[in-house]
Amino acid sequence: NAGVTQTPKFRILKIGQSMTLQCAQDMNHNYMYWYRQDPGMGLKLIYYSVGAGITDKGEVPNGYNVSRSTTEDFPLRLELAAPSQTSVYFCASSYAVRPFSYEQYFGPGTRLTVT
Amino acid sequence: KQEVTQIPAALSVPEGENLVLNCSFTDSAIYNLQWFRQDPGKGLTSLLLIQSSQREQTSGRLNASLDKSSGRSTLYIAASQPGDSATYLCAVDNQGGKLIFGQGTELSVKP
Repeated sequence: NAGVTQTPKFRILKIGQSMTLQCAQDMNHNYMYWYRQDPGMGLKLIYYSVGAGITDKGEVPNGYNVSRSTTEDFPLRLELAAPSQTSVYFCASSYAVRPFSYEQYFGPGTRLTVT
Repeated sequence: KQEVTQIPAALSVPEGENLVLNCSFTDSAIYNLQWFRQDPGKGLTSLLLIQSSQREQTSGRLNASLDKSSGRSTLYIAASQPGDSATYLCAVDNQGGKLIFGQGTELSVKP
């Protein structure tokens, strides 16, 4: 199993550009998440999904959009990139039966710089 | 609003020492608490997950405890090794999978 994979690993965007960060998991997990980590800080939840077709906002959703058309994939869309979106983005997945969730497995991250 | 705090922010110890990392949280109504390890420039690796009904979990040289009533968790590392050097993050789940993270403790184990 590859676990959680993310592409690209690095990206530099100009202000106002858009891009999609890709995330895929092959563990048949029902829950998937997107986090961002700013330097020296913990992670903050951007969006999450409890299953295909169902998404919800986390703590810091502004400036981002997500979709989940399959169990395996959970792309994160940045529209009109801003310098404040410079960060490292992590995708994660877990198995959960509400309200209980289990270990979250993380991808290697995408380092994004907006200039 | 749930807040998670980790103290100290950084810790340096000589090889072979036993050490304790601390995590505190403000809302005791949690489903579980997870400890993660993060190496520089890498993703997070789950170390231990403690469900709210449990008091501790052990994996090898690691032991994590949970005291919900006092809002505290500790991660005990026995006989530390240079390979244990990393940032350790704790995170609590009180909304069915939505983790709230602390800022981490950066551990350095000197040979």
